[in-house]
Amino acid sequence: EPEVTQTPSHQVTQMGQEVILRCVPISNHLYFYWYRQILGQKVEFLVSFYNNEISEKSEIFDDQFSVERPDGSNFTLKIRSTKLEDSAMYFCASSPGQGKGYGYTFGSGTRLTVV
Amino acid sequence: AQKVTQAQTEISVVEKEDVTLDCVYETRDTTYYLFWYKQPPSGELVFLIRRNSFDEQNEISGRYSWNFQKSTSSFNFTITASQVVDSAVYFCALSNLNRDDKIIFGKGTRLHILP
Repeated sequence: EPEVTQTPSHQVTQMGQEVILRCVPISNHLYFYWYRQILGQKVEFLVSFYNNEISEKSEIFDDQFSVERPDGSNFTLKIRSTKLEDSAMYFCASSPGQGKGYGYTFGSGTRLTVV
Repeated sequence: AQKVTQAQTEISVVEKEDVTLDCVYETRDTTYYLFWYKQPPSGELVFLIRRNSFDEQNEISGRYSWNFQKSTSSFNFTITASQVVDSAVYFCALSNLNRDDKIIFGKGTRLHILP
């Protein structure tokens, strides 16, 4: 079964450093998403991406965040200057863009720890 | 606005007991999709079920069953004859996926199955 692949599975970074989280969505999918889950809390939507641009973003997704699809296969989330409160599990997801929810698939997540 | 409420923060039951996880949702959309995800201690999101708003039939899959009641905006999940491996956090979620929209998660219910 096709998978959304996220790398790395764990990342530790120092406060103030830039970090890039990487995702390889399912190959024929058109919509891409990032979600965040602070430890012990709910999963929260960050951003959706379609046709090489952001289609929707949440209040959490401020200027320190950016997304990119640099080469047609990867989908990245960049945090410019990490803060302690950015420590969380980050999930990438993709969907085929046909509606109805079929094929909406989450990756297994990247656990980011900011120290 | 869309909202999902899981009033039960944490539940503990003894193995082989039945347990029901409650989920109440709010949406102004006439077409929407409801989901349940399982998050084991390893952290990934495991898809369990998707149900669209036009299909109020209850569903059973092995020991799992779901009760969708549109009149009360509820989508409850029952595990029959619970097992220790069912211990996890369970999230109910909502989306209008005709627009390939984001998924809105509830806060989750942490389920402990005691041997």
